[in-house]
Amino acid sequence: NAGVTQTPKFQVLKTGQSMTLQCAQDMNHEYMSWYRQDPGMGLRLIHYSVGAGITDQGEVPNGYNVSRSTTEDFPLRLLSAAPSQTSVYFCASSRGGGQPQHFGDGTRLSIL
Amino acid sequence: AQSVTQPDIHITVSEGASLELRCNYSYGATPYLFWYVQSPGQGLQLLLKYFSGDTLVQGIKGFEAEFKRSQSSFNLRKPSVHWSDAAEYFCAALKTSYDKVIFGPGTSLSVIP
Repeated sequence: NAGVTQTPKFQVLKTGQSMTLQCAQDMNHEYMSWYRQDPGMGLRLIHYSVGAGITDQGEVPNGYNVSRSTTEDFPLRLLSAAPSQTSVYFCASSRGGGQPQHFGDGTRLSIL
Repeated sequence: AQSVTQPDIHITVSEGASLELRCNYSYGATPYLFWYVQSPGQGLQLLLKYFSGDTLVQGIKGFEAEFKRSQSSFNLRKPSVHWSDAAEYFCAALKTSYDKVIFGPGTSLSVIP
């Protein structure tokens, strides 16, 4: 079982560049979510989706976009990267409900 | 505002010793409560969860947690720590099943051989 797969694992961007972090799950989970992890702050919810075609904002959504065209995929887009978005990003899924059950291994993103 | 706090940033214990990691929450009503573990370079793994009922919850890897409504706490315990338990531990909460989850800041656990 692949579980939750995130790509890339590492990325360095320049300020102002855009990019998409990919997240895919093969468990047919309806709930998917994106978090950023910063030292001393735990994980903070960026965006989440309760099913294909449905997304909503989390705690820190500014500067990020998401879409959910299929059950399997939930990409996170940085529209214009800023140094404040340097972080480790995690995607998670669950069968139902807001508590994440399965996490990807993370994407470490640096914005110069 | 809803919040989850973990008073201890870092804890060091000797292998074989008992462990207790503290978690407190601030919610209008009792939320759903969770503990996760994160090994270096990995994503989080769900250790256990509390929805309702028995206040002592058993989880994986020999961990348990006790919910205390009077103290708004959900502390994680393990009777005998193994070196492989060294990791970051996060407490989390959400008000209802489809609410937005809130994580605590985490407690880093070091284990001395």
